[in-house]
Amino acid sequence: DIQMTQSPSTLSASVGDRVTITCRASQSIDIWLAWYQQKPGRAPKLLIYKASSLEYGVPSRFRGSGSGTEFTLTISSLQPDDFATYYCQQYSTYSPMYTFGQGTKLEIK
Amino acid sequence: QVQLVESGGGLVKPGGSQRLSCAVSGFTFGDYYMSWIRQAPGKGLECVSYISNIGNTRYYADSVKGRFTISRDNSENSLFLQMDSLRADDTAVYYCARAYGDHGLYYFDFWGQGTQVTVSS
Repeated sequence: DIQMTQSPSTLSASVGDRVTITCRASQSIDIWLAWYQQKPGRAPKLLIYKASSLEYGVPSRFRGSGSGTEFTLTISSLQPDDFATYYCQQYSTYSPMYTFGQGTKLEIK
Repeated sequence: QVQLVESGGGLVKPGGSQRLSCAVSGFTFGDYYMSWIRQAPGKGLECVSYISNIGNTRYYADSVKGRFTISRDNSENSLFLQMDSLRADDTAVYYCARAYGDHGLYYFDFWGQGTQVTVSS
């Protein structure tokens, strides 16, 4: 299976900051990457698919980019509602099972 | 609106069995691949299984292969996960999720609220 590695594992930031989370794949996955946001006790919520396509209803301050093996999720101006854990997920046809990164917890500084 | 509601979780002894169900509404169930995704306490997400829209293709994570069986009933808008030979490391919240995409390229656009499975003696 394709391994996904996120960095950092934890990120401390303040409201209004610009933050970037990185996700690396163990082999090329083209653009087949999604990002999710999860809050404690809740199901994950889809933010971005196909590396850079914003899911309907997701604020435009969320931006995804990348291709191949390296991807980023950028939040341009953090809002209080954005403090959560973020996961990337690959869905390449090179691997029959879909795998997630280990998560990045975004905390209030 | 789209709703996925899991049920069937609970406390089970090691070596035991449990059957999870996911009742779906708000979309044409038979048009979509579906998946079970779990999250162990304090851990990340693991896709344990998914099934094609008509049920003829199924995939399993190596961690559950031979022990778990995914199935669906399109006439009842329901997804199932039969879990046998349960182990302590199967303890997790199990989410039902709709897989969106095609040609083997699927991400998960709608999720249920999850059901807790605890394997302990």
